[in-house]
Amino acid sequence: GALVYQYPRRTICKSGTSMRMECQAVGFQATSVAWYRQSPQKTFELIALSTVNSAIKYEQNFTQEKFPISHPNLSFSSMTVLNAYLEDRGLYLCGARDGHEQYFGPGTRLTVL
Amino acid sequence: GQQVQQSPASLVLQEGENAELQCNFSTSLNSMQWFYQRPEGSLVSLFYNPSGTKQSGRLTSTTVIKERRSSLHISSSQITDSGTYLCAMERYYAQGLTFGLGTRVSVFP
Repeated sequence: GALVYQYPRRTICKSGTSMRMECQAVGFQATSVAWYRQSPQKTFELIALSTVNSAIKYEQNFTQEKFPISHPNLSFSSMTVLNAYLEDRGLYLCGARDGHEQYFGPGTRLTVL
Repeated sequence: GQQVQQSPASLVLQEGENAELQCNFSTSLNSMQWFYQRPEGSLVSLFYNPSGTKQSGRLTSTTVIKERRSSLHISSSQITDSGTYLCAMERYYAQGLTFGLGTRVSVFP
């Protein structure tokens, strides 16, 4: 079956530091990977969409300078939160797709102190 | 404004009751999905349903894409159905999902 793993599951970082999170697709080829964030008391927001052989597309309010993404092959993607501050806390999900449906990982929960 | 509107925001059920959750979209869409969000935050995909009716156990999803709406029917609710149900749309193929705010369902004995 199609599975998506994320690492780490939980992380704490000091305000102003950076934190890298990873997403691994198993059992299928992730031709596109989308990163989402759910801030406290909010719903999920799309941060960026990375498609193999295409430029990474960032949504409004999210930039490459703040959330650089790497998608080197069809099974792996990583995203870094640079200079994390309180407003960056939340649950970060990656959704990988091969075909129509998107499969989600369990998320990385980021706490910023 | 919110592109994906879910109703009701919350729902309280007695075990055994049926429930209908609604999702309305303010724009045209390519497809939609229903998710259950576990307490720790992870998502369980319930239905990928771009159109028509799909059933899985006690859950039924019906999407009428021309009318920009979808519903999730829970029959004979159980305590384990408690949690948050999210619908999400994909406006264009493979361009990412836009989520609704969710319906929080509480089922009591």
